[in-house]
Amino acid sequence: NAGVTQTPKFRVLKTGQSMTLLCAQDMNHEYMYWYRQDPGMGLRLIHYSVGEGTTAKGEVPDGYNVSRLKKQNFLLGLESAAPSQTSVYFCASSPRGFRAYEQYFGPGTRLTVT
Amino acid sequence: AQTVTQSQPEMSVQEAETVTLSCTYDTSESDYYLFWYKQPPSRQMILVIRQEAYKQQNATENRFSVNFQKAAKSFSLKISDSQLGDAAMYFCAYAAGGGSQGNLIFGKGTKLSVKP
Repeated sequence: NAGVTQTPKFRVLKTGQSMTLLCAQDMNHEYMYWYRQDPGMGLRLIHYSVGEGTTAKGEVPDGYNVSRLKKQNFLLGLESAAPSQTSVYFCASSPRGFRAYEQYFGPGTRLTVT
Repeated sequence: AQTVTQSQPEMSVQEAETVTLSCTYDTSESDYYLFWYKQPPSRQMILVIRQEAYKQQNATENRFSVNFQKAAKSFSLKISDSQLGDAAMYFCAYAAGGGSQGNLIFGKGTKLSVKP
C-alpha cells in the first residue's frame, strides 16, 4: 500500500515549456487535490476533483489544467511554465463524505522554472 | 472568506518541555473542522490532530492536545514532553463542513525548533 505517490520528485523547466505532474493513490479515494506551497506560505489549493471525470477550480487555478480520467490518478498540467510557478506541489486524496477532511498527502514535487 | 492566521513564524522549545502554538481563524460557518499538520524537513505533510467544531471537548493525541475556543475562534496546539523529532513546520488548517469537498485552508505555518 503506497498511499499517495507523485511523479516526478524534482523538475527544472525553462519559461514556456510544458509538463505534467502525475499523482496516484491506491486507497480508492473519491476526492483528490492539487496544492502549491511557496516560501513563507501555507498550502494553497489549485484544483480538486470529487470523482472520476470531474474537476473544479480551487483558490489559485490560473496557469494550470487538470484531468481525472481514472479514479486513482490526478494529473496537473502546466501548458506554458512561468517563473511564478516555481513552487513545491503537493497532491492529496481523501475519502468522500464526512471523512473528506482526512487528507493524505504525497511527498511533493519541487518545480523550478527558470 | 475563511482565513487562518498563525501569528508565530518561529518558536523554540527545550527538549522535554511544553510548547504551545497559536492559531486563529475567521469564519461565519457553524459547522467546520480544524486541523494541525506537521511538515518535517522531508516535506511530507502529516496530520497531527483534528477537532470538530460541534465537539466541546478538546481533542488529544498522545503528547499533542488542542485548546479550542470556539467563541474566540482560537485553536492552539500544545506539545508536551517535546522531542527532537517534533522539530518541523506546523500548519493550522480549516475545512468547512456541511457537505463540502473537504478543501483545506492553511495558515502560513510556525517553524518549531527543539533544543537538546
